Amino acid sequence: GQQLNQSPQSMFIQEGEDVSMNCTSSSIFNTWLWYKQDPGEGPVLLIALYKAGELTSNGRLTAQFGITRKDSFLNISASIPSDVGIYFCAGLRNAGNMLTFGGGTRLMVKP
Amino acid sequence: NAGVTQTPKFQVLKTGQSMTLQCAQDMNHNSMYWYRQDPGMGLRLIYYSASEGTTDKGEVPNGYNVSRLNKREFSLRLESAAPSQTSVYFCASGRVNTGELFFGEGSRLTVL
Repeated sequence: GQQLNQSPQSMFIQEGEDVSMNCTSSSIFNTWLWYKQDPGEGPVLLIALYKAGELTSNGRLTAQFGITRKDSFLNISASIPSDVGIYFCAGLRNAGNMLTFGGGTRLMVKP
Repeated sequence: NAGVTQTPKFQVLKTGQSMTLQCAQDMNHNSMYWYRQDPGMGLRLIYYSASEGTTDKGEVPNGYNVSRLNKREFSLRLESAAPSQTSVYFCASGRVNTGELFFGEGSRLTVL
């Protein structure tokens, strides 16, 4: 079953606001990844994190690999309408294991 | 580059019918995957192929079979479709050691 818990499940925000979402697990993961799925499309990789405590940015997106290796956070600054979509976290325990995906956070942005 | 290409994009089946979803990638990846996406359930792994010539079950393999035809192509077959298999199916390819996957656009399957 699903082992990654994402929250919130959905968010409806005003354009220009900052967004925070997180992903938690009872197990340790050695790699954390964040994907975004636009409506009607497949998920696309946004950020990959390989080291506990790592903080990585990609434009307006910033993600952190939790120090306990059991969580990860994604922040989006100054949201715009094209940020709409579903954001998935994913964890990888070890090389050769399969990815585990969270249930997703659905983001809606009001212009 | 096309990346990961899936066909068909939409399909309606009657219960008991069979069909095959096709997937091809042009990124020379060793690993390929089939996921299904249902509302509120995220992405669940059906089958994967870590390298050409190997296939393994994922989280929800029942009712499905796969074939890794060559390094580029990985197909998913439903032998006797059931309404519970109504879903959006995604093929992906990538490097198994990094978790970095590239997804196709999805195939929306409805079983009546």
